[in-house]
Amino acid sequence: SAVISQKPSRDICQRGTSLTIQCQVDSQVTMMFWYRQQPGQSLTLIATANQGSEATYESGFVIDKFPISRPNLTFSTLTVSNMSPEDSSIYLCSVGDRVGRETQYFGPGTRLLVL
Amino acid sequence: KQEVTQIPAALSVPEGENLVLNCSFTDSAIYNLQWFRQDPGKGLTSLLLIQSSQREQTSGRLNASLDKSSGRSTLYIAASQPGDSATYLCAPYSGGGADGLTFGKGTHLIIQP
Repeated sequence: SAVISQKPSRDICQRGTSLTIQCQVDSQVTMMFWYRQQPGQSLTLIATANQGSEATYESGFVIDKFPISRPNLTFSTLTVSNMSPEDSSIYLCSVGDRVGRETQYFGPGTRLLVL
Repeated sequence: KQEVTQIPAALSVPEGENLVLNCSFTDSAIYNLQWFRQDPGKGLTSLLLIQSSQREQTSGRLNASLDKSSGRSTLYIAASQPGDSATYLCAPYSGGGADGLTFGKGTHLIIQP
């Protein structure tokens, strides 16, 4: 199984600012994803981070608000831009190989509070 | 669009009981289904993965079944322990452009010592 770390583990930010979350995996993986878990809600997929190309965003999420980078097969970043209190959530990175055939693994998450 | 419902939303029982958590999904054309647990303030831990061709999977005291045609899965926890207290999430994988998982809202489980 993959070991995934995220930085920061938590942060408190002011509205209007931006925060970049890092996701590091201990081995090369094909697929990397970013999810959001709003308070009291389940997980919602934000986007698939594609190595060497633009991320693929789900309906309701846009690149200007959630820019994503994936420079290699072990690392990705998610930026939450121009934050508002509605962005207060847990943001989780997940990885998998040949998703649909194998287990998908999750990082510990980043708890974000926007004031 | 896949929708996932988990029942019950919350459950509190004394330790030692056998439990059944239910998951239903609207699109039965799935490749597989995963059960996760989430501890407060933590990420997700994968418990079991059932492929669409399988009927059940077992890991220790956990047994997950899948009835793909009816859009249902159950997670059976035998001889529950206080350490089993967590939120349990069901996530069928339907494929699609982004290849991510669709999650239910989970069952919040408390096992009383």
